[in-house]
Amino acid sequence: DGGITQSPKYLFRKEGQNVTLSCEQNLNHDAMYWYRQDPGQGLRLIYYSQIVNDFQKGDIAEGYSVSREKKESFPLTVTSAQKNPTAFYLCASTGTSYNQPQHFGDGTRLSIL
Amino acid sequence: DQQVKQNSPSLSVQEGRISILNCDYTNSMFDYFLWYKKYPAEGPTFLISISSIKDKNEDGRFTVFLNKSAKHLSLHIVPSQPGDSAVYFCVASAKVGYSGGGADGLTFGKGTHLIIQP
Repeated sequence: DGGITQSPKYLFRKEGQNVTLSCEQNLNHDAMYWYRQDPGQGLRLIYYSQIVNDFQKGDIAEGYSVSREKKESFPLTVTSAQKNPTAFYLCASTGTSYNQPQHFGDGTRLSIL
Repeated sequence: DQQVKQNSPSLSVQEGRISILNCDYTNSMFDYFLWYKKYPAEGPTFLISISSIKDKNEDGRFTVFLNKSAKHLSLHIVPSQPGDSAVYFCVASAKVGYSGGGADGLTFGKGTHLIIQP
């Protein structure tokens, strides 16, 4: 069945390392999003992509990078420039019609060793 | 500046009673509102939504009320069940092209942790 798959579920990073979080969807959605959630906080948008080969910065893009080479895939790289990367990362997707709810994956929890 | 406020970080309700989760917003550009439910270590799941042209939307045990003049919305769950225990996010969406937050103008509140007691 259709859905969004994020992997891995848990990820550990050493200081100074880049890590890439995977997000794949088979919902045929055009738009995909990456959010970050910190304890006691709402979701904050990192990057979004409304079409293949195009993406835009969200509210907290610094220290992150993305690519959108395929419609189904929107990987997020947490670079060493991100000073506080420990968080719960959520990927979402939606169709192009306005006011379609976003569908979320189950998230990746990133921790720093 | 928080544009979507959920002032109750947690709410405890007895099973079978009504749960009322509140949300206030400040941005008059918001024209569509959604509620998401989230269990620990899972992604949020869409629950119910309402357009600004309506004041009520009902789906089974869930009803969302919108008071545009007060910039306030609420989610009612009747009757509350143990499986309803989760964090509920109030989300507001602005018109396409508005850069209030996110691709579709989605702005999330901080969430309310609903606990249903037996």
